Amino acid sequence: DTGVSQDPRHKITKRGQNVTFRCDPISEHNRLYWYRQTLGQGPEFLTYFQNEAQLEKSRLLSDRFSAERPKGSFSTLEIQRTEQGDSAMYLCASSPAGLTYEQYFGPGTRLTVT
Amino acid sequence: AQKVTQAQTEISVVEKEDVTLDCVYETRDTTYYLFWYKQPPSGELVFLIRRNSFDEQNEISGRYSWNFQKSTSSFNFTITASQVVDSAVYFCALSEGSNYKLTFGKGTLLTVNP
Repeated sequence: DTGVSQDPRHKITKRGQNVTFRCDPISEHNRLYWYRQTLGQGPEFLTYFQNEAQLEKSRLLSDRFSAERPKGSFSTLEIQRTEQGDSAMYLCASSPAGLTYEQYFGPGTRLTVT
Repeated sequence: AQKVTQAQTEISVVEKEDVTLDCVYETRDTTYYLFWYKQPPSGELVFLIRRNSFDEQNEISGRYSWNFQKSTSSFNFTITASQVVDSAVYFCALSEGSNYKLTFGKGTLLTVNP
């Protein structure tokens, strides 16, 4: 069990550029979540997948954000036309199916939009 | 709507002191789950404990203990004989029923000084 991994760990981009982040969950976990954390705040839920199905999206996830989990394994989060307000830590977590289980978090991708 | 309040923004103690981190939650569901996570300076969220709404038994794990009181909607966390390695941001979180997303508080920054 290697834990949840995320790539890249850091990303600096210019306003208006597109960025894509990847998350690899713990292998036997079929639920995958994305959260966003800004400085001094707790993580905020963005979206979650059960296998390849995206089952819930937060209103925080504007049209510029899209997430996929094509084969029910890894997931990508894309932000189009980045804005300075998108600067944050993007966290991925995974959990097994069934009743609510604890979510295991990856190290996060820190995005800085200049 | 679900809400988690961690009123203590920062706490500073001297090593070996006991410290209690407060968490108050709001939910209209009768079935819910409460969590504590630790975020050390490295940034990765570490799961500490999960409790469901039907189990009000307090729990002790080594130097850590948790006090769950439905009457006051609180789920407080006590570290006994604190150590420098306990320095981190601690988050309390809530999920309701079959809604798997976590709602986090703003966190409490604990600094344990030698």
